[in-house]
Amino acid sequence: QKEVEQDPGPLSVPEGAIVSLNCTYSNSAFQYFMWYRQYSRKGPELLMYTYSSGNKEDGRFTAQVDKSSKYISLFIRDSQPSDSATYLCAMSVTSYDKVIFGPGTSLSVIP
Amino acid sequence: DGGITQSPKYLFRKEGQNVTLSCEQNLNHDAMYWYRQDPGQGLRLIYYSQIVNDFQKGDIAEGYSVSREKKESFPLTVTSAQKNPTAFYLCASSSSRGTGLMGQPQHFGDGTRLSIL
Repeated sequence: QKEVEQDPGPLSVPEGAIVSLNCTYSNSAFQYFMWYRQYSRKGPELLMYTYSSGNKEDGRFTAQVDKSSKYISLFIRDSQPSDSATYLCAMSVTSYDKVIFGPGTSLSVIP
Repeated sequence: DGGITQSPKYLFRKEGQNVTLSCEQNLNHDAMYWYRQDPGQGLRLIYYSQIVNDFQKGDIAEGYSVSREKKESFPLTVTSAQKNPTAFYLCASSSSRGTGLMGQPQHFGDGTRLSIL
């Protein structure tokens, strides 16, 4: 079993939809959870990070962590064509530890 | 405008050849990283450096080498010992100042795509 798993997609939604992107993980010691957005032929950019459980909101984006289920989610409200990208989840045990990345989910928002 | 510059964007390697990928940052970040990205796989850590003149192997360091002689620069050499070098290589940096993050890469360059001739 891989340490971090993501459905690769592609996920295709109409503009304005609410998007849910998810990752599952196997290591219960993970405490830092990150989401990166990667446009085609570009490097990833850090969107959000959360520590431990709970929700964090930033504009149209909400990150949610459920440590009991070993499951994290990124919700995108009012999705836009500019949100079309690959979304990578990543996690680590401490703030100094190596980060483990998921393979990414490809999202396409159709105008 | 601060950021990470990787060059070249595309690189071709011949059999038995070593090639060097450049990574320069003007963010004044202490930590720098090299990752390899292959289709369907998460980013895998090749090498990282927390401070000048010091670097550590990541998960897939075999066939690669790095140097960190200046804070701004962290070049990666793909040696002929790396038998499957075709991939997208990403350089990243991080700083603990104001973020609470230290090991987590915060800024990435736009990558170098390496192929075998």
